[in-house]
Amino acid sequence: AQSVTQLGSHVSVSEGALVLLRCNYSSSVPPYLFWYVQYPNQGLQLLLKYLSGSTLVKGINGFEAEFNKSQTSFHLRKPSVHISDTAEYFCAVSDDDASGGSYIPTFGRGTSLIVHP
Amino acid sequence: NAGVMQNPRHLVRRRGQEARLRCSPMKGHSHVYWYRQLPEEGLKFMVYLQKENIIDESGMPKERFSAEFPKEGPSILRIQQVVRGDSAAYFCASSPRTSSSYEQYFGPGTRLTVT
Repeated sequence: AQSVTQLGSHVSVSEGALVLLRCNYSSSVPPYLFWYVQYPNQGLQLLLKYLSGSTLVKGINGFEAEFNKSQTSFHLRKPSVHISDTAEYFCAVSDDDASGGSYIPTFGRGTSLIVHP
Repeated sequence: NAGVMQNPRHLVRRRGQEARLRCSPMKGHSHVYWYRQLPEEGLKFMVYLQKENIIDESGMPKERFSAEFPKEGPSILRIQQVVRGDSAAYFCASSPRTSSSYEQYFGPGTRLTVT
């Protein structure tokens, strides 16, 4: 079974700073990887996903993530955050279709990002 | 194109009552997933349904919880005889295909409070 670890349940940064949110997964084969964002009192929405190909994935709102197979990581970063980026961020992993595994993604526990002026 | 709809957004029930949560997937999506979110615990998968079929209910508690996705109408998550521990946010998500590569589209959630 997949597992996802998000290091740091809370991250607080100043507006304009670089932010790095960490995600590590356990899998014997490269899975599909996702980052979702949840704004207060809303559902999750997709920021970006990695299926295959280039290990650097660009998403919405200036976010990007890099898949690192050797470190089994998929860290999310943004070079310059804005106050509006304050939200909960979830990393998710699912088995690729060829592995015959579950289609159900496994979510990390989330990282709460607070951006202050 | 309307997104995933959930209602009610907030639901208050007394212990022992029944809670019914509704989810209408995005147009053209025939796969529905239910999750429960507790503070500081992230999302926990409950059940995966297609029209008229339960595909995976490995995350559903064995008692009091049930889900359906009829041929017509929304998907329903039903909790009988609610207890305080059922208080949580319940999210529904939908996707268009049976494939791990497709992201899920989430509704705004139903926040259940059991008093």
